[in-house]
Amino acid sequence: EADIYQTPRYLVIGTGKKITLECSQTMGHDKMYWYQQDPGMELHLIHYSYGVNSTEKGDLSSESTVSRIRTEHFPLTLESARPSHTSQYLCASSENRIRVVTEAFFGQGTRLTVV
Amino acid sequence: AQSVTQLGSHVSVSEGALVLLRCNYSSSVPPYLFWYVQYPNQGLQLLLKYTTGATLVKGINGFEAEFKKSETSFHLTKPSAHMSDAAEYFCAVSHFGYGDMRFGAGTRLTVKP
Repeated sequence: EADIYQTPRYLVIGTGKKITLECSQTMGHDKMYWYQQDPGMELHLIHYSYGVNSTEKGDLSSESTVSRIRTEHFPLTLESARPSHTSQYLCASSENRIRVVTEAFFGQGTRLTVV
Repeated sequence: AQSVTQLGSHVSVSEGALVLLRCNYSSSVPPYLFWYVQYPNQGLQLLLKYTTGATLVKGINGFEAEFKKSETSFHLTKPSAHMSDAAEYFCAVSHFGYGDMRFGAGTRLTVKP
């Protein structure tokens, strides 16, 4: 079954630790995204990618980095976690079709707590 | 630049009543518009989308939305609310040539028995 997976679902980690949030999709989508979601706030785009070896920063200032070495995999890394990084992180993917905008498919999210 | 405004962070209706969730967008070019639903501890799931053509769009679970260019609106409606409709609803806008999709702040729908 085609899907998009995020691991871990929940993570509690100490300040200063390096963490990687995993995201994989089996739909063969070229475009992938990371959003940060806080209660009552709009989803903020952190990073996105058009395909392998393509990464772009979104409009939310972030100390995170991403990589896109394989089409199906788009991990997000925080080099040094801080309490301000506590949030829900959503990964999504979509097709990259010529002159058509397609909907995004979302993973279940990773809820990160930095203590 | 494109953006979305969802009017009302919380909406409460009785079971069987009309559901109306409001969304206004800003876009300098013809928009693609989406409504997503999020249940607790889940990701977002597509309800419906407007790309081109018919302005009244039908989605899953009995929801529909109408694109009104003159009002820059894309309000979501359902004739009769069900308890299972209680969730967070997000409106989003994009257009061809943009790398991403812009979301509103969401509206939490509560359904009272």
